Amino acid sequence: EVQLVQSGAEVKKSGESLVISCQASGYTFSSYWIGWVRQKPGKGLEWMGIIYPRDSDTRYSPSFQGQVTVSADRSITTAYLQLSSLKASDTAIYYCARLDQWLQHGVFDYWGQGTLVTVSA
Amino acid sequence: EIVLTQSPGTLSLSPGERATLSCRASQTVSSSHLAWYQHKPGQVPRLLIYGASSRATGIPDRFSGSGSGTDFTLTISRLEPDDFAVYYCQHYRSLFTFGQGTKLEIK
Repeated sequence: EVQLVQSGAEVKKSGESLVISCQASGYTFSSYWIGWVRQKPGKGLEWMGIIYPRDSDTRYSPSFQGQVTVSADRSITTAYLQLSSLKASDTAIYYCARLDQWLQHGVFDYWGQGTLVTVSA
Repeated sequence: EIVLTQSPGTLSLSPGERATLSCRASQTVSSSHLAWYQHKPGQVPRLLIYGASSRATGIPDRFSGSGSGTDFTLTISRLEPDDFAVYYCQHYRSLFTFGQGTKLEIK
């Protein structure tokens, strides 16, 4: 069974940094892209970036390029999302999600449970 | 950059009725890379349709997708209480784009 288990909720102050983890199991971690999606309160889904764990190839949404860092550790089948210089506007739920193999359809077929990040001023 | 515009923003229907949700792309897109998701409050988004018309694993056949070019549709043939949620279309072509969502609410 494919599972993506994310790290727990975080409360941070403006200016701080944060790393969210996403541990994958039930499939060959290296063979599938993993992506990160943000949902601000009351808003829609926004794609942030993706990584291919086999070679750490990464792609970022232009909206998030330079603002976040996506990484992965194949040895522990875990992907990471690093957020730096947090602002109150970064308050959101952050989801990791697996992409279908080879990006054949470019769809997120399995999702983590989400990590709520709250940033106070 | 492709923009996906969903309509209506909110759709109010009763259980048993038919729901038709629209997703329009700002330019012609590949049907192979058009998907639909269901998202309920407090839950994880769920892949419903990929390749514009193929149902994901475990998705009941009352959900169907259609369309090509710039216009795509998600149809729920007979609404059940569990279907009331927000629905997003999504496209992939080097980058990923989500529509802004349609909220399907009980009338």
